[in-house]
Amino acid sequence: GAGVSQTPSNKVTEKGKYVELRCDPISGHTALYWYRQSLGQGPEFLIYFQGTGAADDSGLPNDRFFAVRPEGSVSTLKIQRTERGDSAVYLCASSLFAENTEAFFGQGTRLTVV
Amino acid sequence: KNEVEQSPQNLTAQEGEFITINCSYSVGISALHWLQQHPGGGIVSLFMLSSGKKKHGRLIATINIQEKHSSLHITASHPRDSAVYICAVSPLATNKLIFGTGTLLAVQP
Repeated sequence: GAGVSQTPSNKVTEKGKYVELRCDPISGHTALYWYRQSLGQGPEFLIYFQGTGAADDSGLPNDRFFAVRPEGSVSTLKIQRTERGDSAVYLCASSLFAENTEAFFGQGTRLTVV
Repeated sequence: KNEVEQSPQNLTAQEGEFITINCSYSVGISALHWLQQHPGGGIVSLFMLSSGKKKHGRLIATINIQEKHSSLHITASHPRDSAVYICAVSPLATNKLIFGTGTLLAVQP
């Protein structure tokens, strides 16, 4: 596709359940980022991939959160034992290279934990 | 104190007005980004700049690295400009973006 694609666009889950959020970056983009945006706030960094490896996961809030990018393209953000505080819009972005290149954002996945 | 501060948080303007949104940051950066987010929509990159000034259509972005300050200007504003405008910085030696909380702009006809 032409842009960054995130699926699903909306996800409602019960507290304690496991969820997976998917990001398809722009083809050829080596850098991929996950951010989380709570209502009324700017996005907050979660994790950054350069190729297949997580180069910086310092933003992951706790060990319930994990992300993979096994083939250096599609990435999956995984949240175990979801809590109501995990409710937010999860944004994915990709860029051609890591440094000083424009980031392209997906539409986000709105996660609601009830 | 947030590393990226924007002002104002909310802005209402009449169609045709000249608009300025300000961004101040407290860390060394390699680049600053201005982004636009429509309600329920994704984020679109408007500008990425590391010095001077850039112009695209009715939008102008400036940055003063020494003063750690950037401004986004919209000339001849239009209701379709209504959106949240977000300033984000790329800190030195990292590859992540640090975002401001955004400025909600409403342009009334």
